[in-house]
Amino acid sequence: GAGVSQSPSNKVTEKGKDVELRCDPISGHTALYWYRQSLGQGLEFLIYFQGNSAPDKSGLPSDRFSAERTGGSVSTLTIQRTQQEDSAVYLCASSPGLSTYNEQFFGPGTRLTVL
Amino acid sequence: KQEVTQIPAALSVPEGENLVLNCSFTDSAIYNLQWFRQDPGKGLTSLLLIQSSQREQTSGRLNASLDKSSGRSTLYIAASQPGDSATYLCAVGSGNTPLVFGKGTRLSVIA
Repeated sequence: GAGVSQSPSNKVTEKGKDVELRCDPISGHTALYWYRQSLGQGLEFLIYFQGNSAPDKSGLPSDRFSAERTGGSVSTLTIQRTQQEDSAVYLCASSPGLSTYNEQFFGPGTRLTVL
Repeated sequence: KQEVTQIPAALSVPEGENLVLNCSFTDSAIYNLQWFRQDPGKGLTSLLLIQSSQREQTSGRLNASLDKSSGRSTLYIAASQPGDSATYLCAVGSGNTPLVFGKGTRLSVIA
């Protein structure tokens, strides 16, 4: 596709359920990033991938959060036992390489609401 | 730790005005600075990317400047239009680390 796509666009879930968020980066982009944007807050970095590898997972808010990337392409962010404070817009971005010399291109985001 | 601040947090102007959005960062050892636009309920659209060796970039009615030594960038919007209404985010890149974002300036252009 022409840009980064994310699915679903909206997700409403009940507290305690698990959710999976998907990101399809721009074809050929080796670097992929996940961010979270909570109401009234700036963008919070969660995790990045270079290829299928995530060298630094320290940005994940808790051990309920995990992410994987397969085939150097699609990535999924999984939140287990969701809590109300997980409600936010989850944004994915990709770039041609890991270095921040490269421009990042963002997807439309997934709006997660935990009831 | 890099911190990015954007002032003002919100701005309302009449159509046709020229305006300036400000971004400051605490660590001048940056590789680049990127300005984004975010419409309500949408993702981020990249507007301009300035590498650390550059002083400004222009795209249409937008001009972004970078002064690394003082830790500042400005986004100048000429002849503002209602369609420019959005939140504008500034983000700083420093090597193989994630972008650090400011909290944005919410712009309203009144017809």
